[in-house]
Amino acid sequence: GESVGLHLPTLSVQEGDNSIINCAYSNSASDYFIWYKQESGKGPQFIIDIRSNMDKRQGQRVTVLLNKTVKHLSLQIAATQPGDSAVYFCAESRDGNNRKLIWGLGTSLAVNP
Amino acid sequence: GAVVSQHPSRVICKSGTSVKIECRSLDFQATTMFWYRQFPKQSLMLMATSNEGSKATYEQGVEKDKFLINHASLTLSTLTVTSAHPEDSSFYICSARVNQENQPQHFGDGTRLSIL
Repeated sequence: GESVGLHLPTLSVQEGDNSIINCAYSNSASDYFIWYKQESGKGPQFIIDIRSNMDKRQGQRVTVLLNKTVKHLSLQIAATQPGDSAVYFCAESRDGNNRKLIWGLGTSLAVNP
Repeated sequence: GAVVSQHPSRVICKSGTSVKIECRSLDFQATTMFWYRQFPKQSLMLMATSNEGSKATYEQGVEKDKFLINHASLTLSTLTVTSAHPEDSSFYICSARVNQENQPQHFGDGTRLSIL
């Protein structure tokens, strides 16, 4: 399944499928991007980050893709599991100002068993 | 690594009470800590940025006399909601980061504040 960014805040996938969560960022001067996972009643949990001098970075079961031309960021989750159900936020920042984060609106991922 | 502890996790109190929330970085020294507020089904809203040993920088619209922030050490920041009222009920979350390149913010598990 695939979300289309801010217009579809909910993504529902079957367990075992791959998930793609999209994010459009706002500031062309941003040079550092982070994906966070937030489970209900908890704080955001760091998943993966990427700097603007890269276009792809892989972690365990997750891949982040960065397209600076269109200011687009995506998070791919392989073999989605029920434990992946959460709200996913992208965040951008640029140098200075204590690296304040500008947050996306979030996408709720629901994994169906 | 990079564990941030926030306490208490939940507070229920009467209107007019002042409430203090603590944020601790357990295994790293946090040059900068951030305080957020989050409403249901919404993104995080930054309230203020706090650097150890200096005054906090508040975002526009956040009353500094209402939300007192103290960042006295590299591992502890506190947020005090003074004379809390029902409209202050919310989910408050802190984060901390090391002031080095490519270091993300790490978050506590939030404090659910309910003012009766």
